[in-house]
Parts: sequence; C-alpha cells; structure tokens
Amino acid sequence: GAGVSQSPSNKVTEKGKDVELRCDPISGHTALYWYRQRLGQGLEFLIYFQGNSAPDKSGLPSDRFSAERTGESVSTLTIQRTQQEDSAVYLCASTDLGTGGLGYTFGSGTRLTVV
Amino acid sequence: DQQVKQNSPSLSVQEGRISILNCDYTNSMFDYFLWYKKYPAEGPTFLISISSIKDKNEDGRFTVFLNKSAKHLSLHIVPSQPGDSAVYFCAASGNTGKLIFGQGTTLQVKP
Repeated sequence: GAGVSQSPSNKVTEKGKDVELRCDPISGHTALYWYRQRLGQGLEFLIYFQGNSAPDKSGLPSDRFSAERTGESVSTLTIQRTQQEDSAVYLCASTDLGTGGLGYTFGSGTRLTVV
Repeated sequence: DQQVKQNSPSLSVQEGRISILNCDYTNSMFDYFLWYKKYPAEGPTFLISISSIKDKNEDGRFTVFLNKSAKHLSLHIVPSQPGDSAVYFCAASGNTGKLIFGQGTTLQVKP
C-alpha cells in the first residue's frame, strides 16, 4: 500500500481482556517496528523485525506482550490480560534498511484504552 | 535510562521568528540522528536527518546541527510558521537498526 496501515484506530477494552493490534507495512519494507506512546511521554521502543532475523524484543515491557510478523508483511501485536497502564497509542513503522536510510514511515497508530 | 533527552517539553515562538529545538544524547555509539514531527491523531513524519560525519544539514527552512563533542543536536526552523505547530521528536540510532526517541517538544507558533 501507499502507507503504513494500522487497525483498529481505536480500541477500548476491559482490564484483563486480550487485545490484538494489526500493522500492514509498506510493501517491500524489510524492517518493521512497534512503539508506544503513553500520555505525556515519548515514543517507547517495543519490538523490531528485520527480514528473517530473530526479532529484537528488548523493549517489550512484560511477558504479556508478544508480536509476530509473517514474512515481510503483516504484523500483529498481542497484549494479554490488559492492565490500565497498557493504555497508550501503539505505533507501527516500517522502513527499507536496504536503501541505507533510517527514515521510518509510521502509521497513524492504535489508541488503546483499558478501562 | 533515557539515552535521548529533550529537556524542554514545550516552546512558543512568534510567527516569522526562529524556533530552536534541542536534544541531548548519552550514547557515543549513536551515528545517525533524525527529527520527526507529529500532529495530533497522526503518526510521526520524518523531517530531517544528519549523519555523525557531518555537523550540519539543511533542508529549506529546517536545519539540523550536530555537536558530537557535546552530544547535542538542535533543529532550527526559520522562519517559523503557524503550520509548524506540532510535537517534535529527536531520534538516534547506532548499529542496532532501531531508533531511540526523545520525549518530544511541543512547538507552538503564534500568528
């Protein structure tokens, strides 16, 4: 597609429920990233996929968080047993590291509210 | 451990004047720096970048300066326009392939 697409754009869920967030990166982009932005804070790195390499999961805040990516396409971020502190905007970005640049293209994000 | 810091949460300038946004970093392994701009309800958009082998990069009204010895970079916008009002994020990368972002600075340009 023309840009990075994320769905849903908004999600309200009850504490303790599982949620799944989806990211469709730009076609051909080899690298895909998940970040989150909690209210009043900066962008916090969560996880990074690059081609067929093992993902860099160093930013995942707990084992309730997991993510998958199918080849060089769609990625899903799953949060199990959601907590109120998980409320944030979850941003996905992709880039083609093969071009030598690091200018990520971000999606518009999924605003997650845990009530 | 905040490796990239934007110590000013907000900045207000008059239209036509210069806006200067600052960013400090702690990791000397960072070799590529970027600025992103974010409007409400949108994802950040890439604005300008600089490699550590340079000390200045200019693109129209936007110039980024890098002072490696001080581990400091700044974004200058001149002249500032009301449409520049947004949150600006500084980001840095080393050899890990991922960007580390600062907390952001909210710029307000008053007409």
